[in-house]
Amino acid sequence: QKEVEQDPGPLSVPEGAIVSLNCTYSNSAFQYFMWYRQYSRKGPELLMYTYSSGNKEDGRFTAQVDKSSKYISLFIRDSQPSDSATYLCAMQYSGNTPLVFGKGTRLSVIA
Amino acid sequence: GAVVSQHPSWVICKSGTSVKIECRSLDFQATTMFWYRQFPKQSLMLMATSNEGSKATYEQGVEKDKFLINHASLTLSTLTVTSAHPEDSSFYICSASVGLAVYNEQFFGPGTRLTVL
Repeated sequence: QKEVEQDPGPLSVPEGAIVSLNCTYSNSAFQYFMWYRQYSRKGPELLMYTYSSGNKEDGRFTAQVDKSSKYISLFIRDSQPSDSATYLCAMQYSGNTPLVFGKGTRLSVIA
Repeated sequence: GAVVSQHPSWVICKSGTSVKIECRSLDFQATTMFWYRQFPKQSLMLMATSNEGSKATYEQGVEKDKFLINHASLTLSTLTVTSAHPEDSSFYICSASVGLAVYNEQFFGPGTRLTVL
C-alpha cells in the first residue's frame, strides 16, 4: 500500500460547482497536511496547510483533516475555469521533513 | 511569498552527457533544499535532501554517484545528472525552506524538463 493515495481523475465539473478532492494515507505519524496546485509544466504552489485534525478555510477553499480516518479533503466552492489544474495532497511527519505527495488529481472546470 | 528559480527550464541532451540544474532561492536564505523528480502523470518523488555545507541525503533507490547534489551556499543548490540516459528524462523540481520554525513552508521552483535522446 502506498503511503498516500489520491485518485488521479481526471475530474471535470461545470463552472460554479463545488469540487471535492480527497486523499487517504496509511502512516498515522503524519502531522502536517498540505494541498498544492500545479499548473502544467510548473512547480507546485501551496494552497493550504493544516496541522493535525480540523478544518481550515481560505476564501473559496476549505481543507479538512480527519486523522482518525486518515483522510483529508479539499473543497473548492464556486469553481472557476482558472481553478483548472492538478491538485496534489502532501504530508509531513514534522515541519522540517520532506513532503510525501499523492499522485495528484487533474481538475478541469468547464465554462 | 518567497521565490525559487531553476535554470534551465528545459534541456535536451544526448545520451552519455552530463547536465547541471541550478536551484536558487532569490529572496531568502534556504537552510534546506529538496530535489524531486516527477514522471508524466505521476507524483513528485523525493530524490534527496541537502543542507548547506553538508553532504546530501539520498532516498533509497537514488544513485548518489549519478545524481550529484551540491549545496554550496544558502541560496544555491545544484543537481548534476551524470552520464544521462533516456530513462532519466523527467521533470526535476527543487524546493527550499528556511528551517527555523516548527513548520517551514517549502517553496518550489518552476521545474526543469530534461529530455535525453
